[in-house]
Amino acid sequence: DVKVTQSSRYLVKRTGEKVFLECVQDMDHENMFWYRQDPGLGLRLIYFSYDVKMKEKGDIPEGYSVSREKKERFSLILESASTNQTSMYLCASSSGRDRYFGPGTRLTVT
Amino acid sequence: AQKITQTQPGMFVQEKEAVTLDCTYDTSDQSYGLFWYKQPSSGEMIFLIYQGSYDEQNATEGRYSLNFQKARKSANLVISASQLGDSAMYFCAMRGSSSGSARQLTFGSGTQLTVLP
Repeated sequence: DVKVTQSSRYLVKRTGEKVFLECVQDMDHENMFWYRQDPGLGLRLIYFSYDVKMKEKGDIPEGYSVSREKKERFSLILESASTNQTSMYLCASSSGRDRYFGPGTRLTVT
Repeated sequence: AQKITQTQPGMFVQEKEAVTLDCTYDTSDQSYGLFWYKQPSSGEMIFLIYQGSYDEQNATEGRYSLNFQKARKSANLVISASQLGDSAMYFCAMRGSSSGSARQLTFGSGTQLTVLP
């Protein structure tokens, strides 16, 4: 079974803090993705990566950056967390058609 | 640009009955794929069913079927014989084929399905 794991299920941070969300997949997938999920808006793509050290902006990259130093790991970074970044963050990986999602991290910024 | 529209924020269905969740899409790509995912309250996204734009037959997976009407740009999910465990959020999604859209999935806003005993 493909496994996509995320470092935390729940996270509470203060405004202005630097936040790292980590995602690891164990199936040697080339593509990895970060989404945020908000009620009534579905999932929106923040960034994705199709190879080590390669990244592309998604639909809502503002306020976020990413890092992919190793194929299995894709990190989402909030340089200075703000309250409007309170959300559910979902990581996914894929090779071809199928996409596998992690369990999500619910981030609250106070 | 691609767009997915799910117009039903919430739906109720009686246990053992069938239910249809609506999804319409918009794309300029000639080749594309349509997906349905289920998200229970635990949060994980579970892949349910896939339909390619050139597939001649509607996709089926167990109790799930996809009513694909290409001319109307709709890809409705039909769940037959609903079970209590079907209560979840359901997302329709699309992947295009043009540069920039081939790797991305565009999601709709979701439909919260509640199955009543």
